[in-house]
Amino acid sequence: DSGVTQTPKHLITATGQRVTLRCSPRSGDLSVYWYQQSLDQGLQFLIQYYNGEERAKGNILERFSAQQFPDLHSELNLSSLELGDSALYFCASSVAGTVRETQYFGPGTRLLVL
Amino acid sequence: AQKVTQAQTEISVVEKEDVTLDCVYETRDTTYYLFWYKQPPSGELVFLIRRNSFDEQNEISGRYSWNFQKSTSSFNFTITASQVVDSAVYFCALSEAPDNNAGNMLTFGGGTRLMVKP
Repeated sequence: DSGVTQTPKHLITATGQRVTLRCSPRSGDLSVYWYQQSLDQGLQFLIQYYNGEERAKGNILERFSAQQFPDLHSELNLSSLELGDSALYFCASSVAGTVRETQYFGPGTRLLVL
Repeated sequence: AQKVTQAQTEISVVEKEDVTLDCVYETRDTTYYLFWYKQPPSGELVFLIRRNSFDEQNEISGRYSWNFQKSTSSFNFTITASQVVDSAVYFCALSEAPDNNAGNMLTFGGGTRLMVKP
């Protein structure tokens, strides 16, 4: 158990809908990352937050947004969902969000868009 | 942009065989960090090892060992006396700061699926 928690574990929804994925980092970690794992794209970085502020952005679609709250938990919002958004979404956390740190991953949220 | 290549998409071995998973990376940075993660069938990503670019000593942890060679930009992972429980997808990753950004991200290879048969 990495100490990173993600809810829900599974999510099934329809195209055009909006969903929110939630992540709680390890105790003491200030930085949160979101990654998407899909069959065609592999594991891809979406976005990083550090202590409530956006720190780095990857290939995140405009339909997707995220935030980190004062209690350090983070939410990833996916809207106008398409079939291709079906994937495993991981949250990871690290202490200070620097390149030298290990990122510890949560169990993931498996999203299926029908 | 940095790149990580795991040329072996799938490897099948019989229990007790040794197996090496290859990882080749590209980076312009002089200081960088490399990682290996394991993804068992249950789906979570489990951290295995972190290695920085200025420490080329090989590392051993039980049946696992890692060979880092800066000259060939490789960071290979060997499992000795493989077991069925080692069956998983293994990812090599490179830590980088995105261009013009103070943040941090992992660039992953495509993964190698290891199947260990009894």
